[in-house]
Amino acid sequence: DTGVSQNPRHKITKRGQNVTFRCDPISEHNRLYWYRQTLGQGPEFLTYFQNEAQLEKSRLLSDRFSAERPKGSFSTLEIQRTEQGDSAMYLCASSPHGGRVTNEKLFFGSGTQLSVL
Amino acid sequence: EDQVTQSPEALRLQEGESSSLNCSYTVSGLRGLFWYRQDPGKGPEFLFTLYSAGEEKEKERLKATLTKKESFLHITAPKPEDSATYLCAVQAYGSARQLTFGSGTQLTVLP
Repeated sequence: DTGVSQNPRHKITKRGQNVTFRCDPISEHNRLYWYRQTLGQGPEFLTYFQNEAQLEKSRLLSDRFSAERPKGSFSTLEIQRTEQGDSAMYLCASSPHGGRVTNEKLFFGSGTQLSVL
Repeated sequence: EDQVTQSPEALRLQEGESSSLNCSYTVSGLRGLFWYRQDPGKGPEFLFTLYSAGEEKEKERLKATLTKKESFLHITAPKPEDSATYLCAVQAYGSARQLTFGSGTQLTVLP
């Protein structure tokens, strides 16, 4: 178990550019989540996948954001036409299939810190 | 809308000085309340899940309790390595898998 891996760890971009982040979940986990965290705040939910299906997406999520999880393995989060307000830590988390048992023990990666200049 | 409020925002303790962190929540129907620990530059690390009022869970120097409106994280005889930000989150019925987090309490334990 190598944990949740996120790349890159840091990304600096200019306003208006597109960026893409990658998340590799724990191998046997079928659930994958993206959260965003700004300084001094708790993580804010962005979207959730079960296997390759995107089942939930935050109403706050701009249409400039898109996420994919092809084949139910790794996931990518793309931000188009970045804005300074997009600067944040983007966290990925995964959890195992829980059946009917409510167990949302999320395993988080160390995040990708995005700075938009 | 689900809301989570944590207090205090920051807490400084001397090593061995016990204290409690508070998490007040408003949720339509509580599916679970979660405590996480977050170290600087890292993602949150799971500590506890509580499901119903009256439930308690313990891990080393930490004990989490739950009522119908709030949860407490009690820290007994803390050590400097307990220094971190402690986050509380709730999951509501009908919200699928979404967690709503509070802003956290930044705990510093001085030697």
